[in-house]
Amino acid sequence: EAGVAQSPRYKIIEKRQSVAFWCNPISGHATLYWYQQILGQGPKLLIQFQNNGVVDDSQLPKDRFSAERLKGVDSTLKIQPAKLEDSAVYLCASSFRTANTEAFFGQGTRLTVV
Amino acid sequence: GENVEQHPSTLSVQEGDSAVIKCTYSDSASNYFPWYKQELGKGPQLIIDIRSNVGEKKDQRIAVTLNKTAKHFSLHITETQPEDSAVYFCAPHYGGSQGNLIFGKGTKLSVKP
Repeated sequence: EAGVAQSPRYKIIEKRQSVAFWCNPISGHATLYWYQQILGQGPKLLIQFQNNGVVDDSQLPKDRFSAERLKGVDSTLKIQPAKLEDSAVYLCASSFRTANTEAFFGQGTRLTVV
Repeated sequence: GENVEQHPSTLSVQEGDSAVIKCTYSDSASNYFPWYKQELGKGPQLIIDIRSNVGEKKDQRIAVTLNKTAKHFSLHITETQPEDSAVYFCAPHYGGSQGNLIFGKGTKLSVKP
């Protein structure tokens, strides 16, 4: 079974530039999550999709972050414009359903904003 | 919202010793309690989980115990090996059927050969 695929693995941008991350979840997984993991901390949920609908985006900084999951499969997360404090690893995860079930994580995209 | 605390933040043990990491949570409605292991440069990976209808679960050298009354659950690793060195996160489920996992701040475990 193929795992969660993310790209790119690394990205360096200057502040105020824009950046986009891509995620392909495990086939058949209805739920997709984007997490932000700042160095030395636990992952923090940014947004959760159920199929192509948003379930929870309460912690997404909507003035600069956006995400979509067209057709309920792949997803993209965008930051525009980036700030220095956005430097982090962005993790995508998927699960078969939302409640009481394992979330499978991709390797993440390490973003550095200079 | 859910408050998750994990202790200790760092733990160093000799190979062969046992390691215990504790996680406390605030949402009394939580009923799914996983532990994730994260190695350098990788995403977190589930190592063991427990649901609220059981008090303990074992998988070879790893076990998880749950005390729902006190709202805490613990990860136990016996006969530690150098490859157990990693960061461990508890991530109790929060928010019911449409909820998600809330991660603790992590415990960095170092196993010295």
